[in-house]
Amino acid sequence: GEDVEQSLFLSVREGDSSVINCTYTDSSSTYLYWYKQEPGAGLQLLTYIFSNMDMKQDQRLTVLLNKKDKHLSLRIADTQTGDSAIYFCAENPSGNTPLVFGKGTRLSVIA
Amino acid sequence: DTGVSQDPRHKITKRGQNVTFRCDPISEHNRLYWYRQTLGQGPEFLTYFQNEAQLEKSRLLSDRFSAERPKGSFSTLEIQRTEQGDSAMYLCASSLSQNFEKLFFGSGTQLSVL
Repeated sequence: GEDVEQSLFLSVREGDSSVINCTYTDSSSTYLYWYKQEPGAGLQLLTYIFSNMDMKQDQRLTVLLNKKDKHLSLRIADTQTGDSAIYFCAENPSGNTPLVFGKGTRLSVIA
Repeated sequence: DTGVSQDPRHKITKRGQNVTFRCDPISEHNRLYWYRQTLGQGPEFLTYFQNEAQLEKSRLLSDRFSAERPKGSFSTLEIQRTEQGDSAMYLCASSLSQNFEKLFFGSGTQLSVL
């Protein structure tokens, strides 16, 4: 089947903004999610957006959703070294099925 | 700690051996999921339970894999006759079934098959 696509690597300088992009597969996904995974740890839900919204802001995080293009992005403002991690985009196809994850984007923050 | 806990954290086994992993979800969560993650990949869905009922199994889950959740609380995942290709991080997650799936993940069990 089709995959949730993400770029694999992103490197930014501390204090800059980071933008992580994702293309998902199912236009009937009710919610789209961003999870964060730090080394040696499980995934942690960062934020999510309902499919009838096009933007959600949560402190330093901004999620943008373009349903027409099935494109989701996560912007992290004022990126800190503690933001270095792998970020996974996820969707729930057909609205009530287990989450399908992308391969993850490894964010490296340079001090 | 009231999060999702998994045991063991690491397991090294020889090819052909059986292994069993345990997951204790957050106590009030009625859904429990097993995912597998290999290096450079995102988590891949294996199976999930609602209470004690196993509702869905991925085609990734071969006959050598079996999962149980006997009392609707903790779950076990057993792999029989392990193969080198089974080497991966096995992640457990739990959630309350509601309109969206806010999954809480454990730290995983890292399996290495030699």
